[in-house]
Amino acid sequence: DAKTTQPTSMDCAEGRAANLPCNHSTISGNEYVYWYRQIHSQGPQYIIHGLKNNETNEMASLIITEDRKSSTLILPHATLRDTAVYYCIVRVNNNAGNMLTFGGGTRLMVKP
Amino acid sequence: GAVVSQHPSRVICKSGTSVKIECRSLDFQATTMFWYRQFPKQSLMLMATSNEGSKATYEQGVEKDKFLINHASLTLSTLTVTSAHPEDSSFYICSARDGGGSLEQYFGPGTRLTVT
Repeated sequence: DAKTTQPTSMDCAEGRAANLPCNHSTISGNEYVYWYRQIHSQGPQYIIHGLKNNETNEMASLIITEDRKSSTLILPHATLRDTAVYYCIVRVNNNAGNMLTFGGGTRLMVKP
Repeated sequence: GAVVSQHPSRVICKSGTSVKIECRSLDFQATTMFWYRQFPKQSLMLMATSNEGSKATYEQGVEKDKFLINHASLTLSTLTVTSAHPEDSSFYICSARDGGGSLEQYFGPGTRLTVT
């Protein structure tokens, strides 16, 4: 699976949009971009994933660049409960490729 | 979304004893389960991949005789830390792959192991 690069940490004001970038310049054509987050002392929580089109769900939006070498996770109105480590992972989405490889992630601190 | 549970959530044991951690998929059948370990301020590291009815596949550097994995049913995998030592103290997290449909992975809440 392709490696990803994320900033180590970010701050965001409560109520503002949090934009978390991820670089995945070696992504292959059949690899998806996945985002998970981990709140302190809990298991990771799935947020969103996409292949090439932008995606939106009740939690977040995912913007993938046209060349697919980078993406941005957007939390439109961050709350204090969104403070967590956010992991960007790229992987194929089939039987063989379901192992998730976690990098360092971005530690997002939402401040009042 | 799908639910994965782990038991116990926290365990403290003495050095030299063995500890069993259970991972259950509550509303789907998981042909594959994954076990991760996470040390403080570090990311999750995959320890092993557990397939129902067959032997687990261990990542490099993970001792299969120390971390015994059993995946006897489609909803249960167990990780036994044998002869635990203080350096085994960690946060152990399992995930389960929905083999029936989406193939997505769902994570358990984790088990905090402290070896004294």
